[in-house]
Amino acid sequence: SAVISQKPSRDICQRGTSLTIQCQVDSQVTMMFWYRQQPGQSLTLIATANQGSEATYESGFVIDKFPISRPNLTFSTLTVSNMSPEDSSIYLCSVEGALQGGNYGYTFGSGTRLTVV
Amino acid sequence: AQSVTQLDSQVPVFEEAPVELRCNYSSSVSVYLFWYVQYPNQGLQLLLKYLSGSTLVKGINGFEAEFNKSQTSFHLRKPSVHISDTAEYFCAVSTGGSYIPTFGRGTSLIVHP
Repeated sequence: SAVISQKPSRDICQRGTSLTIQCQVDSQVTMMFWYRQQPGQSLTLIATANQGSEATYESGFVIDKFPISRPNLTFSTLTVSNMSPEDSSIYLCSVEGALQGGNYGYTFGSGTRLTVV
Repeated sequence: AQSVTQLDSQVPVFEEAPVELRCNYSSSVSVYLFWYVQYPNQGLQLLLKYLSGSTLVKGINGFEAEFNKSQTSFHLRKPSVHISDTAEYFCAVSTGGSYIPTFGRGTSLIVHP
């Protein structure tokens, strides 16, 4: 199954600044997904990133706030722009594909724990 | 649109006791159902999934879940838990041709010695 490296694992940022989160996969994947997990909440899909096209954002998320890059089939970045304390969350990237034991589903990175002060 | 309800935010249990984590879903079409586990400071790992066929699904680490269409439920069970099972468990549902899941709020399983 795919192995995902996500950086940084955690960060504390000042409000008004921006943070770029990187997601590196050890194999080529068509679609990559970015999720947000707010404290005590479930995972919410932010956007789907396909290589060579604009990311597709879910309701409530916009490109100006969460710009995404997908320069090739193994890498993507998510930027959290002009941050406020409400952006404090865990951000996870995910890819679709084969899993261990012949399963098919989604593999997740270990997440980026963002605290905005 | 589909939705998922995990009825318990936290489930404390003693080691070697059985456990059931409850999950109910809402959808007007056929569904695919998943359970994911998130250990502290780690990403999500797929425990098991139901796509079709047998309604009793066995997953990793001794967990199993049963799809009950009439009750729109997909409860997760383990007959004897270990301390190492302490984690956050997420139920998820997807529909149609995409497996992109909608997640429940999660249930924190706390196993006491």
